[in-house]
Amino acid sequence: AQSVTQPDIHITVSEGASLELRCNYSYGATPYLFWYVQSPGQGLQLLLKYFSGDTLVQGIKGFEAEFKRSQSSFNLRKPSVHWSDAAGYFCAGGIQGAQKLVFGQGTRLTINP
Amino acid sequence: NAGVTQTPKFQVLKTGQSMTLQCAQDMNHEYMSWYRQDPGMGLRLIHYSVGAGITDQGEVPNGYNVSRSTTEDFPLRLLSAAPSQTSVYFCASSIDRNTEAFFGQGTRLTVV
Repeated sequence: AQSVTQPDIHITVSEGASLELRCNYSYGATPYLFWYVQSPGQGLQLLLKYFSGDTLVQGIKGFEAEFKRSQSSFNLRKPSVHWSDAAGYFCAGGIQGAQKLVFGQGTRLTINP
Repeated sequence: NAGVTQTPKFQVLKTGQSMTLQCAQDMNHEYMSWYRQDPGMGLRLIHYSVGAGITDQGEVPNGYNVSRSTTEDFPLRLLSAAPSQTSVYFCASSIDRNTEAFFGQGTRLTVV
């Protein structure tokens, strides 16, 4: 079955530290992959997307993600986090012919001052 | 561009009441969907539509109805509200079912 897994429910990092949020997928073929951010009380905003081509994808707000086929992963990274990055982060995947996007359960990011 | 607009933002219902959550998009997207978001559950698909006049069920359709009479609008109806339907509801639209989705701001629904 197609699935997207985010192993970390909650992560806390210090402001200025680097960040990596994990996302693993299970698809029979290379999926389309997305990362969304959800600020408190808000809807989801697209950070970046991977369809094909370069495996390192740049997004908004200084985020990037790397598609690694061998590890079935699409981890989100940021070199130095800001207090405003505190939010929920959702990884999602889709594939041609599938019914829908599949969302991971999300990772809540807390930033320590 | 307004994008995806949901109304209302907040709603409290009594058990057994019915209501309609409104969703409208101005991007001419064919695909629209409704999700509910519960703590620890991520986003679960309720219903979706691939175009005007075409709707289908998602993962958790029970207790909800949808219709799609125009490309722009995709209302979600709760037939007889139950406390288990207390959740945050998101409407989304996209060019097709597997491309990036654009989300509304959400409706926080409480059923007492």
